[in-house]
Amino acid sequence: EAGVVQSPRYKIIEKKQPVAFWCNPISGHNTLYWYLQNLGQGPELLIRYENEEAVDDSQLPKDRFSAERLKGVDSTLKIQPAELGDSAVYLCASSYGRQASTDTQYFGPGTRLTVL
Amino acid sequence: QKEVEQDPGPLSVPEGAIVSLNCTYSNSAFQYFMWYRQYSRKGPELLMYTYSSGNKEDGRFTAQVDKSSKYISLFIRDSQPSDSATYLCAVSGDSSYKLIFGSGTRLLVRP
Repeated sequence: EAGVVQSPRYKIIEKKQPVAFWCNPISGHNTLYWYLQNLGQGPELLIRYENEEAVDDSQLPKDRFSAERLKGVDSTLKIQPAELGDSAVYLCASSYGRQASTDTQYFGPGTRLTVL
Repeated sequence: QKEVEQDPGPLSVPEGAIVSLNCTYSNSAFQYFMWYRQYSRKGPELLMYTYSSGNKEDGRFTAQVDKSSKYISLFIRDSQPSDSATYLCAVSGDSSYKLIFGSGTRLLVRP
């Protein structure tokens, strides 16, 4: 079974440019997460989807970040405009259910963003 | 104060050594404790899962939770070079939708 797929794997952009990341979760997984992982840190939740509904976006910087999960499958995370401090790894994860405590989250390999 | 604290390492041990990795947490409401392993340029993968206090063993890995001291540990016996990775602890509460991760400990097992 294919795991969580993310693309691109690496992205280098100039500051103030837009950038988008794509995630395809494991088939049948209803819950999708976007995490931010800074160097030497653990993942931090940006947004969580249950099907196509964003049920927790409290940590998403909405002035420049946006996300969508049309049809409740693939998801896109966008940054516009990017800032130097956005350089990090953006991880996508999915799980069958919505309980963080009991539903295993499966992570993709991440997109490593460098903003120059 | 962070909700979950973890020594960043790096921790360097010879092959075959017993490794002890640890985290502390601040909120006594946390009931679920996980260890994720993250290889370089990869996403984290679930290694061990424990509910409440006690020990759980899986092959060379043992996860231990002491809720009285808010301390969680992962022990690796007979460590192998393939165990070289970053180990992240994560916690969650009852009916919680959120995982809270520690900052990770880098482990290097030398052949």
